[in-house]
Amino acid sequence: AQSVTQLGSHVSVSEGALVLLRCNYSSSVPPYLFWYVQYPNQGLQLLLKYTSAATLVKGINDFEAEFKKSETSFHLTKPSAHMSDAAEYFCAVRRNTGNQFYFGTGTSLTVIP
Amino acid sequence: SQTIHQWPATLVQPVGSPLSLECTVEGTSNPNLYWYRQAAGRGLQLLFYSVGIGQISSEVPQNLSASRPQDRQFILSSKKLLLSDSGFYLCAWGGTGSYYFGPGTRLTVL
Repeated sequence: AQSVTQLGSHVSVSEGALVLLRCNYSSSVPPYLFWYVQYPNQGLQLLLKYTSAATLVKGINDFEAEFKKSETSFHLTKPSAHMSDAAEYFCAVRRNTGNQFYFGTGTSLTVIP
Repeated sequence: SQTIHQWPATLVQPVGSPLSLECTVEGTSNPNLYWYRQAAGRGLQLLFYSVGIGQISSEVPQNLSASRPQDRQFILSSKKLLLSDSGFYLCAWGGTGSYYFGPGTRLTVL
């Protein structure tokens, strides 16, 4: 079965500091992987996705993620945190059979001024 | 471009009352549609998905049901709400690419 694990349900960073949100997946074959962001009381917005092309994926708002097969990881990073980055972030994997997505439990990012 | 609508945006219902949440999609045809529930601190749980009119698959057993009466309409229902049904309900559409989510419905069962 495919699943994702997000390490750290809460992450705090100072404004201007590096953002690192961790995601590990379990899959017998390289899956499709995604990062979504959710602002309070809103739906989820796609940040970026990995679909077996380039291993370093760039998304919106200067976020990027690197697919590392050897580590089964897809960590999300941003060089410099902004106050507006405070939100809930979800890593997701899409099943290779069918189109269902399975989400991690989310990481709440707090940006400290 | 594609747009997802959900209503109502918020809902407060007593235990034992019925429920009907609606999701409609614009700008695409024959989409795969999904209902997710987000409970506090528990991430997103896939409830139902549909690949076409009248075709519903359930991921978890519960007192909720779903229907797809039209190609771009997806409805989540319950005959009798439980306290545990409280949460944020999200509709999404997607195919072989990404998922796109609606704005969600906040349901509080008292």
